[in-house]
Amino acid sequence: DIQMTQSPYFVSASVGDRVTITCRASQGISSWLAWYQQKEGKAPKLLIYAASSLQSGVPSRFSGSGSGTDFTLTISSLQPEDFATYYCQQASSFPYTFGQGTKLEMK
Amino acid sequence: QVQLQESGPGLVKPSQTLSLTCSVSGASISSGYYYCDWFRQSAGKGLEWIGRVYTSPGPNYNPSLKSRVTISLDTSKNQFSLNLNSVTAEDTAVYYCATSRGNYFDSWGQGILVTVSS
Repeated sequence: DIQMTQSPYFVSASVGDRVTITCRASQGISSWLAWYQQKEGKAPKLLIYAASSLQSGVPSRFSGSGSGTDFTLTISSLQPEDFATYYCQQASSFPYTFGQGTKLEMK
Repeated sequence: QVQLQESGPGLVKPSQTLSLTCSVSGASISSGYYYCDWFRQSAGKGLEWIGRVYTSPGPNYNPSLKSRVTISLDTSKNQFSLNLNSVTAEDTAVYYCATSRGNYFDSWGQGILVTVSS
């Protein structure tokens, strides 16, 4: 299985801050990566697919980059509704696997 | 817009079979355009992909669960289902169904908590 490792586990930030979360794959996955946002008690929501493509309806303050083994999710200016947990998912091969999550908390 | 809803018992006894159904609206799963997947999420294991079913070819399962899991389609009801047998407390989780047009999941059910306990 491909292991996905996110960092950091927790981020404490304020509204308006720029935040970057990283995800590393245990082997190369080209651009087969997605980012999801999950709020408490809710299902994950797709934000970014194919490493850098913005899902329809997702605000442009979210962006993704990277290829191969190293990827980043950036939120350019945090909004109150962005405080949540974020997961990366590799879509290169079965079984699909997720990172352990990064919890974004309000400072 | 595709909408999904999981249903099934919230409590299953150890060694028994966990059975869940995902009802799909807003899309036809028999069209061949949609993959139908199951996931679960527990505090101990995070988000875990269980497997997928498609009109053709056959299903794909996570090797860690393959010996115990069956995912199937009921196109007449526009539903797909999950059966996980010989459950233990480690199978306690929130179970989600999801659909996709490829490898990224843009439509999810709300999730259903299944507890394995006697």
